[in-house]
Amino acid sequence: DVVMTQSPLSLPVTLGQPASISCRSSQSLVFSDGNTYLDWFQQRPGQSPRRLIYKVSNRDSGVPDRFSGSGSGTDFTLKISRVEAEDVGVYYCMQGTHWTWTFGQGTKVEIK
Amino acid sequence: EVQLVESGGGLVKPGGSLRLSCAASGFTFNNTWMSWVRQAPGKGLEWVGRIKSKTDGGTTDYAAPVKGRFTISRDDSKNTLYLQMNSLKTEDTAVYYCTSEDWGWGQGTLVTVSS
Repeated sequence: DVVMTQSPLSLPVTLGQPASISCRSSQSLVFSDGNTYLDWFQQRPGQSPRRLIYKVSNRDSGVPDRFSGSGSGTDFTLKISRVEAEDVGVYYCMQGTHWTWTFGQGTKVEIK
Repeated sequence: EVQLVESGGGLVKPGGSLRLSCAASGFTFNNTWMSWVRQAPGKGLEWVGRIKSKTDGGTTDYAAPVKGRFTISRDDSKNTLYLQMNSLKTEDTAVYYCTSEDWGWGQGTLVTVSS
């Protein structure tokens, strides 16, 4: 299986400051159709996961534009331009390129 | 409004069986590939398996830890996804979510495997 490695695992952030989460895959996530199936999910405390970003950099409907995704191949990044209180939670990257989905370990974002 | 509503969770003894259901509404269920993902208490997300739409063959794929014990099926006439779990182990204790890539996640249902 493809291993997804996130860093950091804990991210204390000051309100209004930027935050960045890294996700690395053990194999290239470029699919045979040319797409890269790398998604980012947010899980707020006590809630189900919610997809924020699909195919590396596409924001889902209703996701604030302070969230952005980038990267290629095996290295990917989720950025929050200015962290707000509602952004507290755990963030997961997930690959859907290889037949069995795999998730990163999760990065816990908290307010300093 | 899109909804995915899981049910069927509960307490079961090791070696027992349980069937989870996921009722879908608000989208064209029969055209949609569906998956189950689980989350052990205090842990991260783990993909369990998927079922393709019948038009794409209706086949299933499973994660290694559940292959041979869990079976995913669907009833498109009822817009419902199922997860039949047999030979349950304590390590299967988790919240089980049904999900579709384009239509989101349910609220989850808790399965506890304990003697």
